[in-house]
Amino acid sequence: DQQVKQNSPSLSVQEGRISILNCDYTNSMFDYFLWYKKYPAEGPTFLISISSIKDKNEDGRFTVFLNKSAKHLSLHIVPSQPGDSAVYFCAASEGGSEKLVFGKGTKLTVNP
Amino acid sequence: GAVVSQHPSWVICKSGTSVKIECRSLDFQATTMFWYRQFPKQSLMLMATSNEGSKATYEQGVEKDKFLINHASLTLSTLTVTSAHPEDSSFYICSARDSLAGMNTEAFFGQGTRLTVV
Repeated sequence: DQQVKQNSPSLSVQEGRISILNCDYTNSMFDYFLWYKKYPAEGPTFLISISSIKDKNEDGRFTVFLNKSAKHLSLHIVPSQPGDSAVYFCAASEGGSEKLVFGKGTKLTVNP
Repeated sequence: GAVVSQHPSWVICKSGTSVKIECRSLDFQATTMFWYRQFPKQSLMLMATSNEGSKATYEQGVEKDKFLINHASLTLSTLTVTSAHPEDSSFYICSARDSLAGMNTEAFFGQGTRLTVV
Protein backbone atom coordinates (compact mmCIF):
# COMPACT_ATOMS: atom_id res chain seq x y z
CA ASP A 1 0.00 0.00 0.00
CA GLN A 2 1.53 3.24 -1.12
CA GLN A 3 1.62 5.83 1.64
CA VAL A 4 2.72 8.70 -0.59
CA LYS A 5 1.03 9.09 -3.95
CA GLN A 6 1.75 11.28 -6.89
CA ASN A 7 -1.10 10.50 -9.20
CA SER A 8 0.11 12.45 -12.19
CA PRO A 9 3.06 10.73 -13.84
CA SER A 10 3.69 13.73 -16.06
CA LEU A 11 2.91 17.43 -16.45
CA SER A 12 3.64 19.82 -19.26
CA VAL A 13 3.54 23.61 -18.93
CA GLN A 14 4.65 26.63 -20.88
CA GLU A 15 7.63 28.66 -19.82
CA GLY A 16 6.61 31.52 -17.56
CA ARG A 17 3.40 29.86 -16.38
CA ILE A 18 2.79 28.17 -13.06
CA SER A 19 3.56 24.49 -12.49
CA ILE A 20 1.55 22.74 -9.81
CA LEU A 21 2.65 19.31 -8.68
CA ASN A 22 0.42 17.38 -6.35
CA CYS A 23 1.02 14.77 -3.69
CA ASP A 24 -1.34 12.86 -1.41
CA TYR A 25 -0.51 10.79 1.62
CA THR A 26 -2.37 8.27 3.72
CA ASN A 27 -0.31 8.10 6.90
CA SER A 28 -1.64 10.70 9.33
CA MET A 29 1.53 10.34 11.39
CA PHE A 30 3.64 11.97 8.70
CA ASP A 31 4.76 15.35 10.00
CA TYR A 32 7.51 16.42 7.66
CA PHE A 33 7.30 16.66 3.91
CA LEU A 34 9.91 17.31 1.27
CA TRP A 35 10.14 17.84 -2.46
CA TYR A 36 13.10 16.63 -4.47
CA LYS A 37 14.04 17.24 -8.08
CA LYS A 38 15.80 14.57 -10.08
CA TYR A 39 17.50 14.58 -13.45
CA PRO A 40 18.15 11.30 -15.27
CA ALA A 41 21.14 9.33 -13.99
CA GLU A 42 21.60 11.69 -11.04
CA GLY A 43 20.65 11.59 -7.38
CA PRO A 44 17.69 13.66 -6.18
CA THR A 45 18.31 17.26 -5.16
CA PHE A 46 16.46 18.77 -2.23
CA LEU A 47 14.13 21.61 -3.17
CA ILE A 48 11.92 22.60 -0.30
CA SER A 49 10.28 21.14 2.78
CA ILE A 50 7.44 21.83 5.16
CA SER A 51 6.64 20.80 8.69
CA SER A 52 3.12 19.80 9.62
CA ILE A 53 2.85 22.82 11.93
CA LYS A 54 2.80 25.04 8.86
CA ASP A 55 0.55 25.21 5.84
CA LYS A 56 2.86 27.08 3.52
CA ASN A 57 6.56 27.46 2.91
CA GLU A 58 8.08 29.62 0.24
CA ASP A 59 11.58 29.75 -1.22
CA GLY A 60 12.04 31.90 -4.26
CA ARG A 61 10.04 30.48 -7.15
CA PHE A 62 9.04 27.42 -5.13
CA THR A 63 6.14 27.27 -2.70
CA VAL A 64 4.84 24.21 -0.93
CA PHE A 65 1.31 24.12 0.44
CA LEU A 66 0.14 21.58 3.00
CA ASN A 67 -3.49 20.70 3.67
CA LYS A 68 -3.40 18.33 6.62
CA SER A 69 -7.13 17.69 6.72
CA ALA A 70 -7.03 16.55 3.11
CA LYS A 71 -3.64 14.86 3.51
CA HIS A 72 -2.51 16.72 0.46
CA LEU A 73 0.45 18.85 -0.45
CA SER A 74 1.41 20.67 -3.58
CA LEU A 75 4.48 22.28 -5.03
CA HIS A 76 4.04 25.48 -7.01
CA ILE A 77 6.74 26.71 -9.32
CA VAL A 78 6.27 30.17 -10.71
CA PRO A 79 7.40 31.26 -13.17
CA SER A 80 8.34 27.92 -14.66
CA GLN A 81 11.58 27.72 -16.59
CA PRO A 82 12.85 25.13 -19.08
CA GLY A 83 15.59 24.20 -16.59
CA ASP A 84 12.87 23.08 -14.19
CA SER A 85 12.16 20.13 -16.47
CA ALA A 86 12.88 17.08 -14.33
CA VAL A 87 11.16 14.43 -12.25
CA TYR A 88 9.82 15.75 -8.95
CA PHE A 89 9.46 13.45 -5.98
CA CYS A 90 7.34 14.10 -2.94
CA ALA A 91 8.61 12.49 0.29
CA ALA A 92 7.39 12.26 3.86
CA SER A 93 8.63 11.18 7.26
CA GLU A 94 7.13 10.81 10.70
CA GLY A 95 8.18 11.55 14.23
CA GLY A 96 11.61 12.88 13.33
CA SER A 97 12.54 9.62 11.65
CA GLU A 98 15.31 9.84 9.10
CA LYS A 99 13.50 7.35 6.89
CA LEU A 100 11.72 8.96 3.95
CA VAL A 101 8.79 7.51 2.06
CA PHE A 102 8.74 8.61 -1.55
CA GLY A 103 6.01 9.00 -4.12
CA LYS A 104 6.52 7.66 -7.64
CA GLY A 105 7.40 11.06 -9.04
CA THR A 106 5.94 13.43 -11.61
CA LYS A 107 7.86 14.26 -14.74
CA LEU A 108 7.62 18.00 -15.40
CA THR A 109 8.32 19.36 -18.84
CA VAL A 110 8.52 23.12 -19.26
CA ASN A 111 8.26 24.10 -22.89
CA PRO A 112 10.03 27.23 -24.14
CA GLY B 1 25.71 23.00 1.34
CA ALA B 2 26.01 19.46 2.57
CA VAL B 3 27.36 17.01 0.04
CA VAL B 4 27.05 13.29 -0.29
CA SER B 5 29.50 11.68 -2.67
CA GLN B 6 28.79 8.31 -4.22
CA HIS B 7 31.31 6.27 -6.14
CA PRO B 8 31.47 4.90 -8.75
CA SER B 9 28.87 6.71 -10.84
CA TRP B 10 28.62 3.73 -13.15
CA VAL B 11 29.99 0.21 -13.26
CA ILE B 12 29.71 -2.75 -15.58
CA CYS B 13 30.50 -6.15 -14.16
CA LYS B 14 30.28 -9.77 -15.16
CA SER B 15 27.59 -12.00 -13.79
CA GLY B 16 28.76 -13.72 -10.62
CA THR B 17 31.18 -11.04 -9.52
CA SER B 18 30.75 -8.59 -6.64
CA VAL B 19 30.58 -4.83 -6.82
CA LYS B 20 31.17 -2.32 -4.04
CA ILE B 21 29.54 1.10 -4.01
CA GLU B 22 30.72 3.80 -1.61
CA CYS B 23 28.71 6.60 -0.08
CA ARG B 24 30.47 9.40 1.77
CA SER B 25 29.17 12.44 3.60
CA LEU B 26 31.77 15.07 2.83
CA ASP B 27 31.11 17.80 5.34
CA PHE B 28 28.89 16.30 7.98
CA GLN B 29 28.56 13.21 10.11
CA ALA B 30 25.86 10.69 9.43
CA THR B 31 25.12 7.95 11.94
CA THR B 32 22.49 6.69 9.55
CA MET B 33 22.60 6.41 5.77
CA PHE B 34 20.05 4.96 3.41
CA TRP B 35 20.38 2.89 0.27
CA TYR B 36 17.78 3.10 -2.46
CA ARG B 37 17.25 1.39 -5.75
CA GLN B 38 15.42 2.87 -8.69
CA PHE B 39 14.05 0.90 -11.61
CA PRO B 40 13.26 2.70 -14.86
CA LYS B 41 10.22 4.95 -14.58
CA GLN B 42 9.67 3.94 -10.98
CA SER B 43 10.08 5.50 -7.60
CA LEU B 44 12.98 5.24 -5.23
CA MET B 45 12.71 1.99 -3.33
CA LEU B 46 14.34 1.94 0.07
CA MET B 47 16.53 -1.13 0.36
CA ALA B 48 18.14 -0.73 3.75
CA THR B 49 19.14 1.59 6.53
CA SER B 50 22.85 1.65 7.25
CA ASN B 51 23.71 2.24 10.91
CA GLU B 52 27.16 3.33 11.97
CA GLY B 53 28.80 0.72 14.14
CA SER B 54 25.94 -1.75 13.99
CA LYS B 55 24.05 -3.98 11.60
CA ALA B 56 22.04 -2.58 8.77
CA THR B 57 18.27 -2.80 8.78
CA TYR B 58 16.86 -4.27 5.60
CA GLU B 59 13.43 -3.64 4.10
CA GLN B 60 11.15 -6.53 3.48
CA GLY B 61 12.09 -8.53 0.43
CA VAL B 62 15.69 -7.32 0.29
CA GLU B 63 18.26 -10.09 0.65
CA LYS B 64 20.80 -9.05 3.24
CA ASP B 65 23.27 -11.71 2.15
CA LYS B 66 23.18 -10.38 -1.36
CA PHE B 67 23.35 -6.68 -0.54
CA LEU B 68 26.02 -6.34 2.12
CA ILE B 69 26.14 -3.03 3.92
CA ASN B 70 28.98 -1.75 6.04
CA HIS B 71 28.94 1.57 7.91
CA ALA B 72 32.33 1.62 9.54
CA SER B 73 32.60 5.35 10.16
CA LEU B 74 30.40 8.39 10.57
CA THR B 75 31.09 9.47 7.01
CA LEU B 76 31.21 6.26 5.00
CA SER B 77 28.77 3.52 4.13
CA THR B 78 29.36 0.85 1.51
CA LEU B 79 26.95 -1.38 -0.36
CA THR B 80 28.35 -4.55 -1.87
CA VAL B 81 26.24 -6.38 -4.41
CA THR B 82 27.48 -9.95 -4.13
CA SER B 83 27.34 -12.52 -6.91
CA ALA B 84 25.66 -10.00 -9.15
CA HIS B 85 23.18 -11.13 -11.78
CA PRO B 86 21.59 -9.23 -14.67
CA GLU B 87 18.43 -8.66 -12.64
CA ASP B 88 20.53 -6.65 -10.17
CA SER B 89 21.18 -4.09 -12.89
CA SER B 90 19.69 -0.87 -11.61
CA PHE B 91 20.37 2.63 -10.37
CA TYR B 92 21.49 2.62 -6.73
CA ILE B 93 21.39 5.82 -4.67
CA CYS B 94 22.46 6.58 -1.14
CA SER B 95 21.30 9.37 1.14
CA ALA B 96 22.28 10.80 4.49
CA ARG B 97 21.21 13.45 6.94
CA ASP B 98 23.44 15.48 9.20
CA SER B 99 23.21 13.67 12.53
CA LEU B 100 23.83 16.92 14.40
CA ALA B 101 21.20 18.95 12.54
CA GLY B 102 18.30 17.75 14.64
CA MET B 103 14.91 16.48 13.61
CA ASN B 104 13.09 17.32 10.42
CA THR B 105 15.96 18.27 8.21
CA GLU B 106 16.49 17.36 4.61
CA ALA B 107 18.35 14.31 3.44
CA PHE B 108 21.08 14.70 0.86
CA PHE B 109 21.56 12.23 -1.91
CA GLY B 110 24.57 10.90 -3.69
CA GLN B 111 24.89 11.10 -7.43
CA GLY B 112 23.77 7.52 -7.85
CA THR B 113 25.49 4.47 -9.33
CA ARG B 114 24.32 2.83 -12.53
CA LEU B 115 25.10 -0.87 -12.22
CA THR B 116 24.97 -3.03 -15.33
CA VAL B 117 25.57 -6.75 -14.93
CA VAL B 118 26.40 -8.57 -18.14
